[in-house]
Amino acid sequence: GAVVSQHPSWVICKSGTSVKIECRSLDFQATTMFWYRQFPKQSLMLMATSNEGSKATYEQGVEKDKFLINHASLTLSTLTVTSAHPEDSSFYICSALSGRAGFNEQFFGPGTRLTVL
Amino acid sequence: DAKTTQPPSMDCAEGRAANLPCNHSTISGNEYVYWYRQIHSQGPQYIIHGLKNNETNEMASLIITEDRKSSTLILPHATLRDTAVYYCIVIIGMAGNNRKLIWGLGTSLAVNP
Repeated sequence: GAVVSQHPSWVICKSGTSVKIECRSLDFQATTMFWYRQFPKQSLMLMATSNEGSKATYEQGVEKDKFLINHASLTLSTLTVTSAHPEDSSFYICSALSGRAGFNEQFFGPGTRLTVL
Repeated sequence: DAKTTQPPSMDCAEGRAANLPCNHSTISGNEYVYWYRQIHSQGPQYIIHGLKNNETNEMASLIITEDRKSSTLILPHATLRDTAVYYCIVIIGMAGNNRKLIWGLGTSLAVNP
């Protein structure tokens, strides 16, 4: 149980294009999902907290107009990197809060490797 | 949330116990200690968590000192598949949806044959 998937697992795009990454909780409902970014040899950095049916909360320094987050259902959140540039190349990871009674934990997706040429 | 300190890297022989330390000297009474690991190019995986008492599950054991200022994650019989970066995180409480995890650089564990 508590499986989180991400799609795509990797993507290569040209500079200036937009890329959408999906995060799904497969066997549980998640009112809250988190989006992280990880550069090589660095730790995970929280980008934003996504709550179903409401606007995402972005961390300081993260541009909300560049990283669009939509949490339209209890099992799906999407991150769209708009007008991507090479400096946006990174490993993007989502997590979903399980919300199970007595075990309110985050479960992580496998990550999406974005390369912007 | 309290800050944690971990050694940057450790080695362990396959089949032996791996003991990964974590210092969290500024931990407060309502903060839990969580351990995650991240295998290369994958998302993090939850391992175990605890508040005061030692904990054990199918993956590992967590030993928390009496003063709660440090803890040790124990992988009793390390395998090559346990090679990963291990993160120790302290966080307030379990309830609520605003539990942000603050990630340090963790300990890179290499299990050698």
